Amino acid sequence: NAGVTQTPKFQVLKTGQSMTLQCAQDMNHEYMSWYRQDPGMGLRLIHYSVGAGITDQGEVPNGYNVSRSTTEDFPLRLLSAAPSQTSVYFCASRPNFPGGVSNQPQHFGDGTRLSIL
Amino acid sequence: SQQGEEDPQALSIQEGENATMNCSYKTSINNLQWYRQNSGRGLVHLILIRSNEREKHSGRLRVTLDTSKKSSSLLITASRAADTASYFCATDGAPETSGSRLTFGEGTQLTVNP
Repeated sequence: NAGVTQTPKFQVLKTGQSMTLQCAQDMNHEYMSWYRQDPGMGLRLIHYSVGAGITDQGEVPNGYNVSRSTTEDFPLRLLSAAPSQTSVYFCASRPNFPGGVSNQPQHFGDGTRLSIL
Repeated sequence: SQQGEEDPQALSIQEGENATMNCSYKTSINNLQWYRQNSGRGLVHLILIRSNEREKHSGRLRVTLDTSKKSSSLLITASRAADTASYFCATDGAPETSGSRLTFGEGTQLTVNP
């Protein structure tokens, strides 16, 4: 049981390049989310999904796209990388309870450290 | 803007001492969660306390929640060098929807000296 797996662990991009950060979980969790962590700012929510085919924006969605074609995978796409997107990106998942309250913690991957030059 | 604000930003103690970290938030919540992050790693869940609970224990961890003051505290008793990490509180609001999402504070960096 691997939990939440993020790839790659490190990446350096040039301004304007695009790339996809991968996230996969094997716990059959419906809810998945992407955060970025910057020094002194904690974690901020980028996008999230409550199930396959459903995505929604978080606090800082600009410059990022997501899709959710399967329960297991939730990739994050940088459309045209900018230096301001240099950050550590975390994917997380938890069970979901449609129509109810989910008092469940999130399970985090180990992160992708992204530098944009 | 961040929902949670943590205090202190940094805390340095000796092994065996207790460590207390505080978290304040601004809006109604469904639950509040505490996470630990070791350097270079992801976040690990420690404790979740629901809005109708006032105190919760897990091993050497004790969490309190005061919804009237919109604040929570995390107490680590008999600290060990291995407790050195960043600690984050996160609030989960919007109790009417399962699409609720966590809002994190900026964290407290705890250093436990041997």
